Amino acid sequence: GAGVSQSPSNKVTEKGKDVELRCDPISGHTALYWYRQSLGQGLEFLIYFQGNSAPDKSGLPSDRFSAERTGGSVSTLTIQRTQQEDSAVYLCASGPRLAGAREQYFGPGTRLTVT
Amino acid sequence: AQSVTQLGSHVSVSEGALVLLRCNYSSSVPPYLFWYVQYPNQGLQLLLKYTSAATLVKGINGFEAEFKKSETSFHLTKPSAHMSDAAEYFCAVTKNFGNEKLTFGTGTRLTIIP
Repeated sequence: GAGVSQSPSNKVTEKGKDVELRCDPISGHTALYWYRQSLGQGLEFLIYFQGNSAPDKSGLPSDRFSAERTGGSVSTLTIQRTQQEDSAVYLCASGPRLAGAREQYFGPGTRLTVT
Repeated sequence: AQSVTQLGSHVSVSEGALVLLRCNYSSSVPPYLFWYVQYPNQGLQLLLKYTSAATLVKGINGFEAEFKKSETSFHLTKPSAHMSDAAEYFCAVTKNFGNEKLTFGTGTRLTIIP
């Protein structure tokens, strides 16, 4: 079946601009996660959505970051007023969140470069 | 809080030799543990998982890992390295309830020497 897809695959933006990153999870997966991968910080958790529950935003680095998940499926991560330190690969993952099945399946990522 | 430590940011082995990538975890609750592999410019691919069933876990591409509670370890092994195994490997831990966010190690880059 289709895996997790993300778009765009690459995004170059100027400092101060807003960007939107999209994630299409695997059909039927109720859990959706965003992570960030950067040279200095490794892989970091950003935000978690589970079904209709309120998202866990504890990993968002600043209030310039926000995310939503519409209809329990597609998710959009928005970064406002981008800064150079936002340059990273943003990874989306989804999971079935079933008993004994806590694995997450990752998309290919969006490489964000802020100039 | 949970964490994982991967010993060795770079590991080189000869083709055909044993691959051993080390991971130690810290968790206040029974953990779920995972190994992921990342090829250049790609996302993370799940290699194998431990979810409190069998302590010896077999994964894809001939990899396996053994959960050792007494040593708080979850090392990844493969009997015979192949050139296609060259990649970066990440160990990750999560808890089995609530926000099951993955906490990753810093990764180990595996190089295969022909």
